[in-house]
Amino acid sequence: DQQVKQNSPSLSVQEGRISILNCDYTNSMFDYFLWYKKYPAEGPTFLISISSIKDKNEDGRFTVFLNKSAKHLSLHIVPSQPGDSAVYFCAASVVNFGNEKLTFGTGTRLTIIP
Amino acid sequence: KAGVTQTPRYLIKTRGQQVTLSCSPISGHRSVSWYQQTPGQGLQFLFEYFSETQRNKGNFPGRFSGRQFSNSRSEMNVSTLELGDSALYLCASSLGGVTNEQFFGPGTRLTVL
Repeated sequence: DQQVKQNSPSLSVQEGRISILNCDYTNSMFDYFLWYKKYPAEGPTFLISISSIKDKNEDGRFTVFLNKSAKHLSLHIVPSQPGDSAVYFCAASVVNFGNEKLTFGTGTRLTIIP
Repeated sequence: KAGVTQTPRYLIKTRGQQVTLSCSPISGHRSVSWYQQTPGQGLQFLFEYFSETQRNKGNFPGRFSGRQFSNSRSEMNVSTLELGDSALYLCASSLGGVTNEQFFGPGTRLTVL
């Protein structure tokens, strides 16, 4: 049972435009969400996170939006740059005083077209 | 500051064998987590160790086990290997746990023949 779903395996966006990566979850207990980026032959790199008490978190070109009622989060990258081409994973957790585990989605491969 | 290192980077084993993978976290990080990445399943959480204690475990069979040493280095062991265990195994370290920013190693690519 895939509790965190990234329904788009791939996405292509023109350089300079906005990239929007989507993630849906089924477990309403999830209250903390993260995005990681992965280049080939490297481990994932943390990008941004959001707690369920917020509906938006911004860090430079990256903004994550959380819609709890729809159990949906999205990552916006503005403007998109060639170096953003990578696989993006969303992840979710139930915060439990250190006793947590992350559930990841299957990833979306983002390609930025120069 | 040195990053997370994993050894070996590549490994080929045959069914029924066992394997041990090693992970050295970033200095000062007490939490080490292990993940399995396969093309169809994405990243799946195996377990997390914090100060030598397993704090949480994913939904993997008992063939998958781990441990953490007093210097925070961690090992993961898979016994009685199956073809389906072929995957990239990633370890990640953080100061406090999986909801803190985790720093991943490059992974160990395990192929089971």
